[in-house]
Amino acid sequence: GNSVTQMEGPVTLSEEAFLTINCTYTATGYPSLFWYVQYPGEGLQLLLKATKADDKGSNKGFEATYRKETTSFHLEKGSVQVSDSAVYFCALGPLMDSSYKLIFGSGTRLLVRP
Amino acid sequence: NAGVTQTPKFRVLKTGQSMTLLCAQDMNHEYMYWYRQDPGMGLRLIHYSVGEGTTAKGEVPDGYNVSRLKKQNFLLGLESAAPSQTSVYFCASSYAGLYEQYFGPGTRLTVT
Repeated sequence: GNSVTQMEGPVTLSEEAFLTINCTYTATGYPSLFWYVQYPGEGLQLLLKATKADDKGSNKGFEATYRKETTSFHLEKGSVQVSDSAVYFCALGPLMDSSYKLIFGSGTRLLVRP
Repeated sequence: NAGVTQTPKFRVLKTGQSMTLLCAQDMNHEYMYWYRQDPGMGLRLIHYSVGEGTTAKGEVPDGYNVSRLKKQNFLLGLESAAPSQTSVYFCASSYAGLYEQYFGPGTRLTVT
């Protein structure tokens, strides 16, 4: 089946620290992989995506590489800011059924302290 | 261009009460989705619609009904609320199946 596993949070970092949030997946077929971010009180926003193996998605200083050999899509950022505090969701899809739904991980809360 | 909006933002219900959550999008998207988000779990698909007048069940449809009478609106109904339906509900829309999904801000529902 299809599933996404993320590291449990919360992850607490000081400003300018290096960030890694782990995401691994199981999938049938060759789905795209996504990172969504949810800021406090808001809906999910697409942060970055990768559509095939070895693709790197990047946005706002965040990066993630689609690793088929390790079935991973880890999110990284070299220097986090307080404004990066949010919940981050890894997802795969869309599934090639009639819904084209996304499969989400449980989310990882990031707290960045000044 | 408001994107995806949801009404209401918060609601408290008593067991057995009914309510309707409204999702509206102004992007002329064909596909619309209702997800629920529970602690320690990812978002799970409740129902979805691939176009005006169509609806279909997702992973966790029991206890919910939906309607898509207008292309821009997708309604989620709870006929007889249960405490297990306490959750945050997100609506999403996309231009078509393989396109990016855009999410609303969510509705936090508590059933006591």
